[in-house]
Amino acid sequence: KQEVTQIPAALSVPEGENLVLNCSFTDSAIYNLQWFRQDPGKGLTSLLLIQSSQREQTSGRLNASLDKSSGRSTLYIAASQPGDSATYLCAAGTWDSWGKLQFGAGTQVVVTP
Amino acid sequence: GAGVSQSPSNKVTEKGKDVELRCDPISGHTALYWYRQSLGQGLEFLIYFQGNSAPDKSGLPSDRFSAERTGGSVSTLTIQRTQQEDSAVYLCASSSDQGSNEKLFFGSGTQLSVL
Repeated sequence: KQEVTQIPAALSVPEGENLVLNCSFTDSAIYNLQWFRQDPGKGLTSLLLIQSSQREQTSGRLNASLDKSSGRSTLYIAASQPGDSATYLCAAGTWDSWGKLQFGAGTQVVVTP
Repeated sequence: GAGVSQSPSNKVTEKGKDVELRCDPISGHTALYWYRQSLGQGLEFLIYFQGNSAPDKSGLPSDRFSAERTGGSVSTLTIQRTQQEDSAVYLCASSSDQGSNEKLFFGSGTQLSVL
């Protein structure tokens, strides 16, 4: 069974610093790895999706990398802003459980002005 | 619609009552997912639909939970004889198909409180 872990559980940084969020998974037979953002009381917003054949994806200040061999994905957020404060979740889709994304517990990020 | 719509946004019920939660996916999206998020915990997969069929029901916690989807669109999650441990946020998501490059779009959820 796929297990997804996110470390740290919480992170506080001053505005302008770069953020590095980690996601690890136990089963490397994934078809994709997705990163989401969740604001309090809201649903999830998809940020980046990396297919299993890809090594990274970029969107604006966000960059996500994927290393299947080590079972890791990292989300980088450059030049953080107070508006980046949210909980970030990663989710892995595994070939033998198609459609059943396995989510990590998330990293709660606070960016202080 | 413009996004995934869930109703009601909040539901308070008494233990033992039945509840129905509704999800209206993005128009044209063939795949639909239900997840549950309990306080301080991650998302727990419940069920997904491809069209009107549910290939994987393994995430439903007990036989008190059921879900259906009609017309390849609206889905209803029904919880019978609710228990306090059913209290959670129920999230629905949809995607345009089940290809490996399809992002999930989530609704805002239904906050269920069982007293």
